[in-house]
Amino acid sequence: KQEVTQIPAALSVPEGENLVLNCSFTDSAIYNLQWFRQDPGKGLTSLLLIQSSQREQTSGRLNASLDKSSGRSTLYIAASQPGDSATYLCSFNAGNNRKLIWGLGTSLAVNP
Amino acid sequence: GAGVSQSPSNKVTEKGKDVELRCDPISGHTALYWYRQSLGQGLEFLIYFQGNSAPDKSGLPSDRFSAERTGGSVSTLTIQRTQQEDSAVYLCASTQEFNEQFFGPGTRLTVL
Repeated sequence: KQEVTQIPAALSVPEGENLVLNCSFTDSAIYNLQWFRQDPGKGLTSLLLIQSSQREQTSGRLNASLDKSSGRSTLYIAASQPGDSATYLCSFNAGNNRKLIWGLGTSLAVNP
Repeated sequence: GAGVSQSPSNKVTEKGKDVELRCDPISGHTALYWYRQSLGQGLEFLIYFQGNSAPDKSGLPSDRFSAERTGGSVSTLTIQRTQQEDSAVYLCASTQEFNEQFFGPGTRLTVL
């Protein structure tokens, strides 16, 4: 069964901290891995997409890594801000139809 | 428009009624996906369209759920004889060439 596990489930940090969100997945034959952000009552915003041939992607203060052999991805957020407070979802894309398999997310609170 | 749109944004219905949810994908995107996010649970895949055909309907929870796509564009998800357990946020995503998936804002369905 294809599964995604995200640790921790919830995280509360003071503003300015660097932090790491972890994602592990069971299928090494992924096509790509995508990190999303979801704000309460809102839809999903794509943050970073890592193709299976890549090891990392960066966008601003965000950096996502991918290690297919160990089935792990991390999302690194530098110098966290209160506006970063949201739920962060990890998903991988596998199979012929490329449907996304989802983790339950990490709920992040950055306190001013 | 520039992004994926969904309508209605909110739908409240009585148990036993039929509902239709609409998704307008990004123009030119050939693949379209429906997902469901239930309270306290992760996102789950429902159905995938490539053009107007649905090669994978494996995620539809029961035969009360159906979906169609016309003109390679707009898709409608229909739920017949709604039940309380159908209450969730229904999300639509589109993608070109099975790459990054872009999501709409979702339809929040409440079945009383």
